[in-house]
Amino acid sequence: DAKTTQPPSMDCAEGRAANLPCNHSTISGNEYVYWYRQIHSQGPQYIIHGLKNNETNEMASLIITEDRKSSTLILPHATLRDTAVYYCIVRVVNRDDKIIFGKGTRLHILP
Amino acid sequence: DAGVIQSPRHEVTEMGQEVTLRCKPISGHNSLFWYRQTMMRGLELLIYFNNNVPIDDSGMPEDRFSAKMPNASFSTLKIQPSEPRDSAVYFCASSWTGVGTEAFFGQGTRLTVV
Repeated sequence: DAKTTQPPSMDCAEGRAANLPCNHSTISGNEYVYWYRQIHSQGPQYIIHGLKNNETNEMASLIITEDRKSSTLILPHATLRDTAVYYCIVRVVNRDDKIIFGKGTRLHILP
Repeated sequence: DAGVIQSPRHEVTEMGQEVTLRCKPISGHNSLFWYRQTMMRGLELLIYFNNNVPIDDSGMPEDRFSAKMPNASFSTLKIQPSEPRDSAVYFCASSWTGVGTEAFFGQGTRLTVV
């Protein structure tokens, strides 16, 4: 079972920042937080991951709370191409590093 | 690298027939995952290989499903006999096992069993 809770859907205006929340209150010390997204009819695409520090790359920023029980994915300037289902995943990265997807958040970018 | 390559992209078959889905992972990756996606059940992990060895097949729905990884560059998922409820999109993904690594997904095989 997925260890994360996400809102089923969100709307965001084009050009604005999209903030996608994720709760992972049972996260363990050796589990990373990963974000993937799936654009319609395509395979899931990696976005970003982090352990306890905030992370930023060319796609997004990841803010993890100090207690690591929740996180927020930020798309700084959302475009219509960011319309997708976004999955928050916690994952132990070792030999048994399964990736278990939950239901995700369906993000609609509004023109 | 061309990424994870799956074939065929689309497959339509009759109930009772054998179906074989194929996956070529990214060169150098040592973990491979097979997923099934339907509207009702979302993305389900079927089986996970590490260094060509099946580590966890608890997601394989029943004995009609089998998966093999004869070498580091090829894996198959076989359904025999196929049933209409097997209709779904099947994804293969690969990664390098290690701290903070990411998995790369193929474009999927859309299977329709009539």
